[in-house]
Amino acid sequence: EDKVVQSPLSLVVHEGDTVTLNCSYEVTNFRSLLWYKQEKKAPTFLFMLTSSGIEKKSGRLSSILDKKELSSILNITATQTGDSAIYLCAVLNDKLIFGTGTRLQVFP
Amino acid sequence: ETGVTQSPTHLIKTRGQQVTLRCSSQSGHNTVSWYQQALGQGPQFIFQYYREEENGRGNFPPRFSGLQFPNYSSELNVNALELDDSALYLCASSLVSTGAEQYFGPGTRLTVT
Repeated sequence: EDKVVQSPLSLVVHEGDTVTLNCSYEVTNFRSLLWYKQEKKAPTFLFMLTSSGIEKKSGRLSSILDKKELSSILNITATQTGDSAIYLCAVLNDKLIFGTGTRLQVFP
Repeated sequence: ETGVTQSPTHLIKTRGQQVTLRCSSQSGHNTVSWYQQALGQGPQFIFQYYREEENGRGNFPPRFSGLQFPNYSSELNVNALELDDSALYLCASSLVSTGAEQYFGPGTRLTVT
């Protein structure tokens, strides 16, 4: 059965800290891995990583795909209170398979 | 460019009733996927519609059904509602059926009592 596992489930940090969120997967017919940020309702797209694009960066956020280890990490540097959200990892084969998410809380 | 929209925002139904949720895809997108997100869980794939045809289905019973219209908007219908159907229902659109990032709407919060 296809599955995506995220860790940790929850993370509490102070502003300015750097965090690393983990995602591992066992999925047949892997096409790509996506990261989303979910604050209230709609998950918002962050990154898509594929075999031809295993590292992405946008501002303080960056992500790497390790196809050998079947995993990905999402790094957030210099965290801000506005980074508080649930971060979802999803793997695309013929559908998106989501992990349960990591809840990040950033306190001032 | 218009984003993904969903209606209604919130809905309360009684067990056994039927419900229809609606989704308008992002401009230019021809694929719509529906997800169920229970509290504390990641979204679970229900089904996908591509050019008005069902193009993949997750592990949901037949009482979950859908439609896609020529303008690529979509409906999710759930019959014989059960208490466990209470969840956030998310719609996502994408430019093609596979390999493209999906953009999510704000969701419909369904409560079944």
